[in-house]
Amino acid sequence: DIHMTQSPSSLSASVGDRVTISCRASQNISRYLNWYQQKPGKAPKVLIYGASSLQSGVPSRFSGSGSGTDFTLTISSLQPEDFATYYCQQSYNALATFGQGTRLEIK
Amino acid sequence: EVQLVESGGGLIQPGGSLRLSCAASGFTVSSYYMNWVRQAPGKGLDWVSVIYTGGTTFYADSVKGRFTVSRDNSKNTLYLQMNSLRVEDTAVYYCARSLIVPGANDFFDIWGQGTMVTVSS
Repeated sequence: DIHMTQSPSSLSASVGDRVTISCRASQNISRYLNWYQQKPGKAPKVLIYGASSLQSGVPSRFSGSGSGTDFTLTISSLQPEDFATYYCQQSYNALATFGQGTRLEIK
Repeated sequence: EVQLVESGGGLIQPGGSLRLSCAASGFTVSSYYMNWVRQAPGKGLDWVSVIYTGGTTFYADSVKGRFTVSRDNSKNTLYLQMNSLRVEDTAVYYCARSLIVPGANDFFDIWGQGTMVTVSS
């Protein structure tokens, strides 16, 4: 199985901050990497697919980059509604795997 | 409206069986890869299983041999048959549709609201 590791596990930030979350794959996954946002009690929502493509309807302050084993999700200017947990997920093979999550909290 | 609605969760004793359902509306289940993803209380997302359009299935190692994914095209519904349940299977179970994008493989674009399965004596 491909193991996904996110860092940090939690992060405190303020409205307006620029935030970066990292995700590392245990093997080369090309650009088959997706990012999701999950709020308490809700299903996850896709933000970025294919490492850097913005899903329709997602604000442009979200961006993704990377390829191979190292990937990054960036939020350019945090808004109050962005405080949530973020997960990366590889779709390189049939057995999808998620990172452990990064909880983004208000400072 | 494109929507997924899960049902069938509940409290079950270790070793027991349960079948989850995921009713789709606004699209045809058999035309997409369909997945089950679970989330234990306070924990992260854990992919469980997928069924491809052609019927091929894959499972996470943690459930292989115990869980079976299937679909009923006439009812436009996805199922997860869970046997030999363990305490560690306790989780919210989501069904999720895979959208395939050329060059980007696939991602989970539509999710249900989830159904809670509690395995406890």
